[in-house]
Amino acid sequence: AQSVSQHNHHVILSEAASLELGCNYSYGGTVNLFWYVQYPGQHLQLLLKYFSGDPLVKGIKGFEAEFIKSKFSFNLRKPSVQWSDTAEYFCAVSPIGNQGGKLIFGQGTELSVKP
Amino acid sequence: DVKVTQSSRYLVKRTGEKVFLECVQDMDHENMFWYRQDPGLGLRLIYFSYDVKMKEKGDIPEGYSVSREKKERFSLILESASTNQTSMYLCASSQGAKNIQYFGAGTRLSVL
Repeated sequence: AQSVSQHNHHVILSEAASLELGCNYSYGGTVNLFWYVQYPGQHLQLLLKYFSGDPLVKGIKGFEAEFIKSKFSFNLRKPSVQWSDTAEYFCAVSPIGNQGGKLIFGQGTELSVKP
Repeated sequence: DVKVTQSSRYLVKRTGEKVFLECVQDMDHENMFWYRQDPGLGLRLIYFSYDVKMKEKGDIPEGYSVSREKKERFSLILESASTNQTSMYLCASSQGAKNIQYFGAGTRLSVL
């Protein structure tokens, strides 16, 4: 069965620390990849996406992610986090060609940034 | 901007009640989705629809049904609410192969 695994359930960092959140998926075919973010009390919103081309993609607020096809991974990074990055982060995968465009989500990683 | 509107932010219902959760999108999207979000489990797909009057089961359809009579509206129905359906329910819509999904604010449902 297709699945997405996020390695960390809760990450606590101090401001200015670097961030890397792991995401691995199990699917042998071609996929579109996404990271979504949910700030406290807000709706889920798109942080960045990968469809094809350069495997290093940049998103909003200084986030980036790297697609490593051989490792089935799409890790999220930020060089220096801010208190305002406190949120829950979800990795999601969409197998290309599936009717209706299903997204398969990981369990989520809660990030807490200490000021 | 895409807007996905869920009719209620908070709902409290009693066990056995029939519950309707409504979702409307304003971007003429073909695809619409209902998820439930639970701590430590991420988002799990309940049902989705890729066209009017079309519906497909997601990963956890038991105890739920859906209705899509108009393109912009996708309703989630709990036929007989149970306490294990207490959760946050998220609606989303998307269009095309790239499938960027846009989410509503969510409905937090408590079943007592």
